[in-house]
Amino acid sequence: DAKTTQPPSMDCAEGRAANLPCNHSTISGNEYVYWYRQIHSQGPQYIIHGLKNNETNEMASLIITEDRKSSTLILPHATLRDTAVYYCIVRARERGKLQFGAGTQVVVTP
Amino acid sequence: DAGVIQSPRHEVTEMGQEVTLRCKPISGHDYLFWYRQTMMRGLELLIYFNNNVPIDDSGMPEDRFSAKMPNASFSTLKIQPSEPRDSAVYFCASSLGQVETQYFGPGTRLLVL
Repeated sequence: DAKTTQPPSMDCAEGRAANLPCNHSTISGNEYVYWYRQIHSQGPQYIIHGLKNNETNEMASLIITEDRKSSTLILPHATLRDTAVYYCIVRARERGKLQFGAGTQVVVTP
Repeated sequence: DAGVIQSPRHEVTEMGQEVTLRCKPISGHDYLFWYRQTMMRGLELLIYFNNNVPIDDSGMPEDRFSAKMPNASFSTLKIQPSEPRDSAVYFCASSLGQVETQYFGPGTRLLVL
């Protein structure tokens, strides 16, 4: 599976959009981009995934560049409860494994 | 649905003792995963099962670790004998299909003294 690079931390003001970048320059054509988050002391939680089209659900939006070498997770209106470590993972769909990196620690402040 | 259930939530034991962690996946899910999380190594996949059969155990650290899934609704991860370096949070996750979303349990916090 392709490696991903994320900033170690970022802050966001409550009510503002949080834009979390992820680089995956070695991604293969059959690999999807997944985002999970882990709130302190809890198990990881699925957010969203995509292949090449932009995706949106009730939690977030995922923007994937045309060359698929990077993506951005957007939390449209961050709340204090969105404070968590966010993991960007690239995975081929036929593989069961999720390989978690260090992620981005997002702190939402009032 | 109750989600993935893990027990115990916390375990403190002494070096050399046997430790058994338990997991009940979401009903109907056919994949079950065991992960370990430490500050040093982050989240690591230890082993995963499909329809109760182990598919990939390449992440199991050594022979002291073993995992079983006797039926679709129960799995165990056993450490025998335990060592202080096994102290970690152990997560169980399940999914419906290999490619689908994995749902994680709350984890078992293990401390080996």
